[in-house]
Amino acid sequence: DSGVTQTPKHLITATGQRVTLRCSPRSGDLSVYWYQQSLDQGLQFLIQYYNGEERAKGNILERFSAQQFPDLHSELNLSSLELGDSALYFCASSARTSSGNEQFFGPGTRLTVL
Amino acid sequence: TQLLEQSPQFLSIQEGENLTVYCNSSSVFSSLQWYRQEPGEGPVLLVTVVTGGEVKKLKRLTFQFGDARKDSSLHITAAQTGDTGLYLCAGVSWGVYNQGGKLIFGQGTELSVKP
Repeated sequence: DSGVTQTPKHLITATGQRVTLRCSPRSGDLSVYWYQQSLDQGLQFLIQYYNGEERAKGNILERFSAQQFPDLHSELNLSSLELGDSALYFCASSARTSSGNEQFFGPGTRLTVL
Repeated sequence: TQLLEQSPQFLSIQEGENLTVYCNSSSVFSSLQWYRQEPGEGPVLLVTVVTGGEVKKLKRLTFQFGDARKDSSLHITAAQTGDTGLYLCAGVSWGVYNQGGKLIFGQGTELSVKP
């Protein structure tokens, strides 16, 4: 158990819909990272927040957005969903802002768009 | 665009055999990490290599960082069925240290060790 929790574990929805994925980092960790893992693209970095502020952006679509709240939990919002958004979404946390530090990954949310 | 290429993508071996997984890039990384991921779970960090030429050992696993910091390898000696899983290398880029970060992952090597 990494100490990072993600809910829900599974999510099935239809094209065009909007969903919210939730992540609670390890106690004391200030950085939260979001990743998308699909069979054809592998594990792709989406976005990072540090203590409530966006710090780094990767290949995140404009239909996707994220935020980190004062209690440090984070949410990833995916809207106007397409079939190709079906993937595993992972949240990771680390103590400091640098990605060179160890990142602890949650169990992931499996999103299926029908 | 920084890319990490892992090879092989799939590896199926018998218990007791040795194997090596390679992670190559044309880009320089400040450090490189190796993760292992099991089905239904998130990746778990195995090791971070920082210095060019560095070799780290974790029981039967040996990790090496290339002299030019562009490549790395993972060698497993006498593989066991418990080594089965997806092995991912991830590069940490120059310039992002302490400024917010992202890991650039390779596509992964799916290892299956048969009894």
